Amino acid sequence: SQKIEQNSEALNIQEGKTATLTCNYTNYSPAYLQWYRQDPGRGPVFLLLIRENEKEKRKERLKVTFDTTLKQSLFHITASQPADSATYLCALVVSGSARQLTFGSGTQLTVLP
Amino acid sequence: EADIYQTPRYLVIGTGKKITLECSQTMGHDKMYWYQQDPGMELHLIHYSYGVNSTEKGDLSSESTVSRIRTEHFPLTLESARPSHTSQYLCASMRGGSYEQYFGPGTRLTVT
Repeated sequence: SQKIEQNSEALNIQEGKTATLTCNYTNYSPAYLQWYRQDPGRGPVFLLLIRENEKEKRKERLKVTFDTTLKQSLFHITASQPADSATYLCALVVSGSARQLTFGSGTQLTVLP
Repeated sequence: EADIYQTPRYLVIGTGKKITLECSQTMGHDKMYWYQQDPGMELHLIHYSYGVNSTEKGDLSSESTVSRIRTEHFPLTLESARPSHTSQYLCASMRGGSYEQYFGPGTRLTVT
């Protein structure tokens, strides 16, 4: 069956360290993979998109990698800050799926001061 | 900040009532979506629309209905609310040619 798995447990890190979040998928062939941030009681906010033919994408302190052989994406936040504390969702766009997104359940990140 | 709005933000309603959750966007996006999300769980697509007079059901079976009479407006209706409908409902829109979705703040629905 098709499945998207993110870090199953919440992730706590110290301020200034690099946070690394994992998104693994099975039985999908995504054309695109996206990462969103969601704060409590709010809707998700788009962060980054990476295409299947791209290995890495960066935006300020954020970096995403995409390994279609391992069926895995890694999401890194460098020099993390308490304000980065949130739930991070990965989402897949499957080619031909009419631009629908399939979401993982998210990883809750807490950056400790 | 995305220009997509949802009302009400919170709603507590009794079983059997009819409710409509409102969603509006001012970005002129063709595509709009409704998701259902329980705490700590993934978003599930329940309805989507590619434009005026176009609506489709998503992957998650839902007893709700939607309409798209105007580009900017995509309301969701529950004819008879049940406790199993208690959840957060999120509306999103997407510009043609893009894959980035813009989400509203959500409606937290509780059916007693």
